[in-house]
Amino acid sequence: AQTVTQSQPEMSVQEAETVTLSCTYDTSESDYYLFWYKQPPSRQMILVIRQEAYKQQNATENRFSVNFQKAAKSFSLKISDSQLGDAAMYFCAYLTSSGTYKYIFGTGTRLKVLA
Amino acid sequence: DAGVIQSPRHEVTEMGQEVTLRCKPISGHDYLFWYRQTMMRGLELLIYFNNNVPIDDSGMPEDRFSAKMPNASFSTLKIQPSEPRDSAVYFCASSLVDYGYTFGSGTRLTVV
Repeated sequence: AQTVTQSQPEMSVQEAETVTLSCTYDTSESDYYLFWYKQPPSRQMILVIRQEAYKQQNATENRFSVNFQKAAKSFSLKISDSQLGDAAMYFCAYLTSSGTYKYIFGTGTRLKVLA
Repeated sequence: DAGVIQSPRHEVTEMGQEVTLRCKPISGHDYLFWYRQTMMRGLELLIYFNNNVPIDDSGMPEDRFSAKMPNASFSTLKIQPSEPRDSAVYFCASSLVDYGYTFGSGTRLTVV
């Protein structure tokens, strides 16, 4: 069975600085999808970024980018020029491409942004 | 598109009462998911539907929980009878296969 691990329960970053959130996963599959979701205090879960395992190029969305290391089964999220609005819980998620559309979520990392 | 719409946003009920949570997915999305979020267990998948048909309900904790999707634009999650340990945030999400979920704002359920 697949698992997703976020080993950092909490992180802090100074406004305008860069922070990296870690995510590792375990799978025997070769084709799958990985996601980062953001959950601010409003509790709305927001899709931040998506990566397809067959693509070697790391996904980017404005200030958000990932470092996808398939062999190492690592999928970290880098937030550049951190803003106060980035403060939230961040969840890493895995989705198999095998036909069962059950997402597996990590336990989350709480990001604090310091002014 | 208004996104995934859940109601109510908050629900407080007494133990033993029936609770019904509602969800309207994004038009055109063919998957619908119900999740429960607690501090202790994180995000747990309860059940998901494909084209209105329940595909996997192995996450439904007990027979007290039931979910229906009578049509492509509406789903309900019912708890009868409710218990204090059911207190959680319940999320509905819809998806076009592998693109990524769109979540609703969630319903915070408190059972006293």
